[in-house]
Amino acid sequence: DAGVTQSPTHLIKTRGQHVTLRCSPISGHKSVSWYQQVLGQGPQFIFQYYEKEERGRGNFPDRFSARQFPNYSSELNVNALLLGDSALYLCASSPSPVGSPLHFGNGTRLTVT
Amino acid sequence: AQKVTQAQTEISVVEKEDVTLDCVYETRDTTYYLFWYKQPPSGELVFLIRRNSFDEQNEISGRYSWNFQKSTSSFNFTITASQVVDSAVYFCALSPAAYSGGSNYKLTFGKGTLLTVNP
Repeated sequence: DAGVTQSPTHLIKTRGQHVTLRCSPISGHKSVSWYQQVLGQGPQFIFQYYEKEERGRGNFPDRFSARQFPNYSSELNVNALLLGDSALYLCASSPSPVGSPLHFGNGTRLTVT
Repeated sequence: AQKVTQAQTEISVVEKEDVTLDCVYETRDTTYYLFWYKQPPSGELVFLIRRNSFDEQNEISGRYSWNFQKSTSSFNFTITASQVVDSAVYFCALSPAAYSGGSNYKLTFGKGTLLTVNP
């Protein structure tokens, strides 16, 4: 079975631009979460979606938004990019929103110049 | 608020040595889960183990073992007879075991321990 897939794998953007990152969960998984991992740090929680509804939001500005589609895939959008948004963005899926281990994708490496 | 501390930033060992990665956590939740993940250079976080706060039994899986001590809020990870393929960043993480809305359900990660196993 395919794991969590994320696209693109790498992305270079300029300050002020907008970016959309995409994630396809493992088949049968209805919960998708997004994490930001800055170099040298542990992943930080951004969003969790379950059954197309936002179930949790981390301490990130409103420039960050996400949504989940009927097929349970998800998009993370970031507006007005800042240099500090440069990071590895990880998507994770799980069968349920609570308690199940998260299965992570390989991530999207975003560089903002 | 939840917090995970991995005091060891980097550890370097020679192949076949045993190595223990420390994890200390803080939470006000009465029930919670503890996790260990491995992140090789490729970047993908690989799930290793989940532990329920009710279950303090130690667990062994091949060369890996985990020691959960609720009294000291620690969940340490030992690799026996380390191998070069064990080289990676290892993260300890914590989550509540019940969902109550907001950003309640999330994994809180430590900063990770970079393990280098030299041949």
